[in-house]
Amino acid sequence: DGGITQSPKYLFRKEGQNVTLSCEQNLNHDAMYWYRQDPGQGLRLIYYSQIVNDFQKGDIAEGYSVSREKKESFPLTVTSAQKNPTAFYLCASSVKSTGGIEAFFGQGTRLTVV
Amino acid sequence: EDQVTQSPEALRLQEGESSSLNCSYTVSGLRGLFWYRQDPGKGPEFLFTLYSAGEEKEKERLKATLTKKESFLHITAPKPEDSATYLCAVLNAGNNRKLIWGLGTSLAVNP
Repeated sequence: DGGITQSPKYLFRKEGQNVTLSCEQNLNHDAMYWYRQDPGQGLRLIYYSQIVNDFQKGDIAEGYSVSREKKESFPLTVTSAQKNPTAFYLCASSVKSTGGIEAFFGQGTRLTVV
Repeated sequence: EDQVTQSPEALRLQEGESSSLNCSYTVSGLRGLFWYRQDPGKGPEFLFTLYSAGEEKEKERLKATLTKKESFLHITAPKPEDSATYLCAVLNAGNNRKLIWGLGTSLAVNP
C-alpha cells in the first residue's frame, strides 16, 4: 500500500540533544513537508521541499534542519537550539495532477523533551 | 493577510442529528480548499479538495461545498464514529503548495 511512514511514533529526548525524525513516502510525490502541531494552534509549517536536493524554510524553521537527498525521504532534525521542542510532528507529501491537488499525512511523531 | 477561520470550535451532536461546520477564508486568490479529519494522536486524513465556487463533493455522510468566502462541511445523520477534529486549509495563489490552516472543529457525536 502507498503511504507516508513516520518513525518513531513516540520519542523522548534529553535537553541539549539533537534528534532526527524519519519520514518516508512511496507515493512518488515531489513535494514533502514538515509541520508542528501544538494544542490550541493550527498546523505550523517548519520546512518544505518541492524537489530533491532543494528545500525552503517555513514559518517556524529556527532550531530545525532537514535534508532531501532522495525523493522518498525527508528527515527532520530537531536541534538543541529549538527552545520548545515538545510537540506532535507531522510529515506530509503532495502531488499536483490533472485531477487536482492532494496532500497526505503520516501518522505523526510525538516528541517529548525530558 | 491570508487567514482561515473555522467555526464552531467544538460541536456536540446526537447520533442522527445533521449539522454543518464552517470554514471562512480570506486569501489572495484561491487555488484550493482542503478538508481533513483528524483522530486524537493521529495524522490528518484527507477528505476533499474544492477548487471553485459552486463546487460540491461527497463522501459517505459528508458533503463539502464552496463559495467565494467560505466552505461548509455538512454531516448528514452522523454516527459516533464520525467524532473527530475536522481541519480546513487553503492554498493561495501566491504560495505554491503552502497550506494555510484553520484551528479545526472538534466534533463529538453521542450515541
